[in-house]
Amino acid sequence: DVKVTQSSRYLVKRTGEKVFLECVQDMDHENMFWYRQDPGLGLRLIYFSYDVKMKEKGDIPEGYSVSREKKERFSLILESASTNQTSMYLCASSRPTTSFSSNQPQHFGDGTRLSIL
Amino acid sequence: AQKVTQAQTEISVVEKEDVTLDCVYETRDTTYYLFWYKQPPSGELVFLIRRNSFDEQNEISGRYSWNFQKSTSSFNFTITASQVVDSAVYFCALTGRGSTLGRLYFGRGTQLTVWP
Repeated sequence: DVKVTQSSRYLVKRTGEKVFLECVQDMDHENMFWYRQDPGLGLRLIYFSYDVKMKEKGDIPEGYSVSREKKERFSLILESASTNQTSMYLCASSRPTTSFSSNQPQHFGDGTRLSIL
Repeated sequence: AQKVTQAQTEISVVEKEDVTLDCVYETRDTTYYLFWYKQPPSGELVFLIRRNSFDEQNEISGRYSWNFQKSTSSFNFTITASQVVDSAVYFCALTGRGSTLGRLYFGRGTQLTVWP
């Protein structure tokens, strides 16, 4: 079974702090994703990565950055946390889409509920 | 552009009732995949099904069934004889051949509550 592990289930930080959210997967997946989930808005893609040191912006990258130094780990960084970044953050991973016919589902972690005070 | 609409924000049913969750999608791609995920209160999204655009056969898995209709761009999900454990948020998602690296486009989700 694929296991995607997020370092914290709950996190409370203060405005202006630099915040790190960590995600580790154990299935040697190339693709990794960070989403945020807000009531009524569903899941919105922040950043994704298809290889070590590679990253792509999603739909809402402002205020965030990411790091992928190792294949199994994908970190989301809030450079200077603000209250509007209070949210549920979900990490996912999937096999590479080398051909469209082999499209694979994404596997998700349990989520990190982040509160910025 | 890819878009998924789940018009039902919340649905409440009583145990043993059947319930259908609607999903309507938009895509210019002729080749695409549709997905359903379940998010129980614990938070983790659980993959339920993947269907490609060339396979319009309906699928049944136990109490779950999926009705894919390209003519109406819909991929609806029916739970038969619902149970309290089915209470969750359900997401429909889409990826098309034109999507970057298989990224998924999610609907806003439907909160299903099954009362005992």
